[in-house]
Formats: sequence, C-alpha cells, structure tokens
Amino acid sequence: DVKVTQSSRYLVKRTGEKVFLECVQDMDHENMFWYRQDPGLGLRLIYFSYDVKMKEKGDIPEGYSVSREKKERFSLILESASTNQTSMYLCASFRDRGFSPLHFGNGTRLTVT
Amino acid sequence: DQQVKQNSPSLSVQEGRISILNCDYTNSMFDYFLWYKKYPAEGPTFLISISSIKDKNEDGRFTVFLNKSAKHLSLHIVPSQPGDSAVYFCAASEGQGGSEKLVFGKGMKLTVNP
Repeated sequence: DVKVTQSSRYLVKRTGEKVFLECVQDMDHENMFWYRQDPGLGLRLIYFSYDVKMKEKGDIPEGYSVSREKKERFSLILESASTNQTSMYLCASFRDRGFSPLHFGNGTRLTVT
Repeated sequence: DQQVKQNSPSLSVQEGRISILNCDYTNSMFDYFLWYKKYPAEGPTFLISISSIKDKNEDGRFTVFLNKSAKHLSLHIVPSQPGDSAVYFCAASEGQGGSEKLVFGKGMKLTVNP
C-alpha cells in the first residue's frame, strides 16, 4: 500500500520565518506534488516534480519554492512566511506507468501568526 | 476561470437513500475524470474514475456517469451510509488518464444522516 508521509500534522510559525514542509513517499513514484487546500477554493497546485532535481510551477507558486534531491522526498519551502499562507498543505505522488491516481499524505495544517 | 465546477457546496441525505454529486467542466480537452473523498484531518483518497471513452463506471456502491456533450459528470452513491459523510472533490485531466496537472473542483460536503 502506498504511503505518503508528511513530517508534521500541525505547524505554527511567525511571519517572516523560513518554513520547510517535508514529504516522503515509499513507492518509488516519479511524480510528486504540493497542493494547498483552502475553504471555498478547493485544491490548488503549488509545485510539482516529475523527477529528481526537476520541478515545475503549478498554479500558485508565488512565495514558495521546492527541493527534490532524492526521488522519495519532496520539500516545500516558504521563504518568508506570511499570514496568507496559513492553509492545509497536501503532498501527493503517483507513478508514471499506466493509469495511476494521485496518492495524498494526511496534510500539514500550517498557521502563520 | 474555473475549469471544474462543483456548484453545490453541500448535500444532506438520509441513510439508505441515493446521494448524487454533480460536477461540470468547461475544458473539452479533459479526457479523464476522478472523484476523491476527504475526511477532516486526512488527505484525499481516490474513489473512482472514468475515461472519456466511457459513459459509466461502477465500483460497488459508487457509480460515475459522464455526459461529454453536456460536459457533466455525476457520482451516485447507493445506498448512502453515515461513513460516506465527507468532502468530495471532482477532478479532471488531459492526456490519456494521467494524474499530472489534475484540475480539482472546490469540493462538496456530503452529510449522510442516520
């Protein structure tokens, strides 16, 4: 069974802090994604990666960056956290062969004060 | 511009009855559609999918119907159970069913009352 693990369930950070959200998947998936979920807005894609050291901007990349040094790990970085980045962050992955749905982690609830 | 629309934010049904969740899309290039279910404090889980070459796909109590001419799909849950209470997201993609760049709707909260 695919497991996508996000290192923190809840985080509280101050405005201006640099924040790292970590995600690890254990199924050798090529593709990894970061979404944020906000009430009334659904899931919005921030960044995705289809291979190690590769990254692509999603729909809302401003204020974020990512790192993928190893295939199993995809990190989301908030360079200087702001209150409008308070949200639920969801990591997901899928493999490249045949139809494969996205598998999501349990999310990280980030609050920026 | 919202490409995948779930126009009703919530639905409440009685246990044992049918739940019908609707989704509309605007991009005629979408050729794969998925439904995800999300419980509070958990990530979304894949529920069922359908490709544009079909008009119906069934998996147990869950059936998805696709009307390409109307750009509309629906998820039917029969019979509904209290454990089905969750937020349901409709999603769509181009390109032979890949999960790359899925476009999600805003979600609809389903409540099944005992």
